[in-house]
Amino acid sequence: DGGITQSPKYLFRKEGQNVTLSCEQNLNHDAMYWYRQDPGQGLRLIYYSQIVNDFQKGDIAEGYSVSREKKESFPLTVTSAQKNPTAFYLCASTYGGNTEAFFGQGTRLTVV
Amino acid sequence: QKEVEQDPGPLSVPEGAIVSLNCTYSNSAFQYFMWYRQYSRKGPELLMYTYSSGNKEDGRFTAQVDKSSKYISLFIRDSQPSDSATYLCAMVHGNNRLAFGKGNQVVVIP
Repeated sequence: DGGITQSPKYLFRKEGQNVTLSCEQNLNHDAMYWYRQDPGQGLRLIYYSQIVNDFQKGDIAEGYSVSREKKESFPLTVTSAQKNPTAFYLCASTYGGNTEAFFGQGTRLTVV
Repeated sequence: QKEVEQDPGPLSVPEGAIVSLNCTYSNSAFQYFMWYRQYSRKGPELLMYTYSSGNKEDGRFTAQVDKSSKYISLFIRDSQPSDSATYLCAMVHGNNRLAFGKGNQVVVIP
């Protein structure tokens, strides 16, 4: 079945650690996105990539980094510079321009 | 002013009632409009997708777009407890970036 797979579903991070969230899609979609969701805040764009080896900052990129070495994969690293990383992280992808986005099931990151 | 405004206030309705949700937007470049449904602790799933002014129906769901007023709506007829979820509006313009509303939490009471 085609879709977007995020892993892990739950992730715990200690203060000062970097962690990487995985996002893989087999939909042959060109564009991929990372969003952060907090209660009452809606979805906020962290980074997006429209083609391999290229990505752009979204609205809240500070403290995050990404790579896009393969079309299918768009991992997100939450660095120690992100002061409030506890949130629900969603990965999405679209095919071409002006089309609907498909989402993964999310990763819930908690700082302990 | 935010690009997309959606009043996030929770909405409780009795089973069988009509649920009415709406979003306003400020950027006239938005061309494509979507509604997503998100169950707790899950990723959003696409519910409705439209690109023109007017109404689009899919079963119990109707999406309405008024580009002249920059206003979109989602109506759910004969609401069921399984419709209890958060509903997010989303819009796309030419640079392929999605803009989301904050989401409306809907509770359908049996």
